[in-house]
Amino acid sequence: DAGVIQSPRHEVTEMGQEVTLRCKPISGHDYLFWYRQTMMRGLELLIYFNNNVPIDDSGMPEDRFSAKMPNASFSTLKIQPSEPRDSAVYFCASSFNRVNGYTFGSGTRLTVV
Amino acid sequence: SQQGEEDPQALSIQEGENATMNCSYKTSINNLQWYRQNSGRGLVHLILIRSNEREKHSGRLRVTLDTSKKSSSLLITASRAADTASYFCATVLYNNNDMRFGAGTRLTVKP
Repeated sequence: DAGVIQSPRHEVTEMGQEVTLRCKPISGHDYLFWYRQTMMRGLELLIYFNNNVPIDDSGMPEDRFSAKMPNASFSTLKIQPSEPRDSAVYFCASSFNRVNGYTFGSGTRLTVV
Repeated sequence: SQQGEEDPQALSIQEGENATMNCSYKTSINNLQWYRQNSGRGLVHLILIRSNEREKHSGRLRVTLDTSKKSSSLLITASRAADTASYFCATVLYNNNDMRFGAGTRLTVKP
């Protein structure tokens, strides 16, 4: 297995534009997590899915953020409209369950100018 | 919100020396995990210690857990330049299985 695959690796966009981040979890993992990492706030859990169903989105900062998981092998995190304060590294992770180790993707570094 | 706090924030040592990083947390846990993050990469799971365990080893890694003090330590023995990375502790909360990450310790191993 190639691990958790995220795309793009880097994204630079202008304020107000829509941004879509993509993730392919490890096959067989029932849980998928979206995290955001910044120097100021560290790693924050945004949302997680179990068997493609969103379970807890309380970490999503505001309505500009949305996430979907249409099938077991694909998830998206969308920001619309984007703002400079959304600049961060966004990680996707997957796992068999919530209590054991997570496998992280390489992240998407988002810069909103 | 962060549950664990790592100490120190940064650590610089010579190759061959041992590196010790500490993690403190606030609430009851199911288990505690340590992850490594190389610059520009995702986190990599290193080791998991359950709340009923006190010590665990994996290669050059030794993890201890003291639930009475709500603290854990990660010891890397005979460090190598390739161990240079940030190390994060993550706690799985007992009440809801949420995983919370600390702010991390930045380890630099000089060749």
